[in-house]
Amino acid sequence: GEDVEQSLFLSVREGDSSVINCTYTDSSSTYLYWYKQEPGAGLQLLTYIFSNMDMKQDQRLTVLLNKKDKHLSLRIADTQTGDSAIYFCAESIKFSGGYNKLIFGAGTRLAVHP
Amino acid sequence: NAGVTQTPKFRILKIGQSMTLQCTQDMNHNYMYWYRQDPGMGLKLIYYSVGAGITDKGEVPNGYNVSRSTTEDFPLRLELAAPSQTSVYFCASRSGEPGEGYTFGSGTRLTVV
Repeated sequence: GEDVEQSLFLSVREGDSSVINCTYTDSSSTYLYWYKQEPGAGLQLLTYIFSNMDMKQDQRLTVLLNKKDKHLSLRIADTQTGDSAIYFCAESIKFSGGYNKLIFGAGTRLAVHP
Repeated sequence: NAGVTQTPKFRILKIGQSMTLQCTQDMNHNYMYWYRQDPGMGLKLIYYSVGAGITDKGEVPNGYNVSRSTTEDFPLRLELAAPSQTSVYFCASRSGEPGEGYTFGSGTRLTVV
């Protein structure tokens, strides 16, 4: 089946680290993505990880992938108020016709407070 | 670069009315997608296209139609609007390179009353 699950809310203090977790079900996923959505805007690609990697770091962002448990996490170091947004996890899977599509989680709303 | 452009940004429709949501991209991407976003539900794929002249249904196609006469444009048509179609609609595109994520438009917020 195709399902991506995330917790809906996370609240952190400015300067702390944020960790957003995601679980997915399709073991054939080749790429997994993190998108950020600010109020009234579309989704912006933050980072992605190939399924044969277990970690990827990009400035303040660290992505960890546990393929055995089908668990993906996004860590934001030194969280700032500008990081307040909804974060979506997505997995890329093949469907009928051999084409890829993205399956999205429901999104985690990150609130950063002083 | 404009990226993916959607119009209109907001629209209120009466039940039974029809409208077309416009989407255009200037990146020469082959793949284009329409998603709807409902609160707390993530994004659901309505229709997709892998190139001009080729379209296919996604997970939630009922009540919608699409066309892809050019690489740039991928309009979404609602023929008989229903309250269940109240949502935010996102168009996205990608070139097809491995690992490349989608580029999203800023969305159209549609309310059917």
